[in-house]
Amino acid sequence: EADIYQTPRYLVIGTGKKITLECSQTMGHDKMYWYQQDPGMELHLIHYSYGVNSTEKGDLSSESTVSRIRTEHFPLTLESARPSHTSQYLCASSDRFDEQFFGPGTRLTVL
Amino acid sequence: GEDVEQSLFLSVREGDSSVINCTYTDSSSTYLYWYKQEPGAGLQLLTYIFSNMDMKQDQRLTVLLNKKDKHLSLRIADTQTGDSAIYFCAEREGDDKIIFGKGTRLHILP
Repeated sequence: EADIYQTPRYLVIGTGKKITLECSQTMGHDKMYWYQQDPGMELHLIHYSYGVNSTEKGDLSSESTVSRIRTEHFPLTLESARPSHTSQYLCASSDRFDEQFFGPGTRLTVL
Repeated sequence: GEDVEQSLFLSVREGDSSVINCTYTDSSSTYLYWYKQEPGAGLQLLTYIFSNMDMKQDQRLTVLLNKKDKHLSLRIADTQTGDSAIYFCAEREGDDKIIFGKGTRLHILP
């Protein structure tokens, strides 16, 4: 069973608020990822990291930022949430064989 | 960029076989994957296949790879109600990223 956790699982928040979505893994994986998943199911890579102090933007432009100060922790921050940010956010980490282990996701609703 | 295509929906009667198809564009892909996503959950790796293999079988799951046509399929034998989920095909791009398809929603008919 994958040991990757996301909090909160559900978040409803007003426009303009700053939010941080937490992601932690206890598997010692160097690579971590954030995906945004459409209501229609498609996954979009928005950020990834090769290891501590490494962060890269993904294929989908996002107003969010990430940090990687510790191997096990990869939080995603939105400075000012907007309704267009309403989505499901999935965090993942991968081992050296690139098997990706996914967290349960955070469903964000911005009013 | 590279692309992974799969049909969006599939309906299958309980007990029949399900076949989910996928095409990809990166001929240099070394690994190809099938992930399963149940409602309200993240994705879970079901199986993967190396690009130098044609077939891989794991209990009720059979993966077929046609490298010439860049076609990957997942066959689920004796489909059960618990198999109802979204199935994502994915390919490894270089050393960095996994490219996912849009997912196929498998619906099981009684």
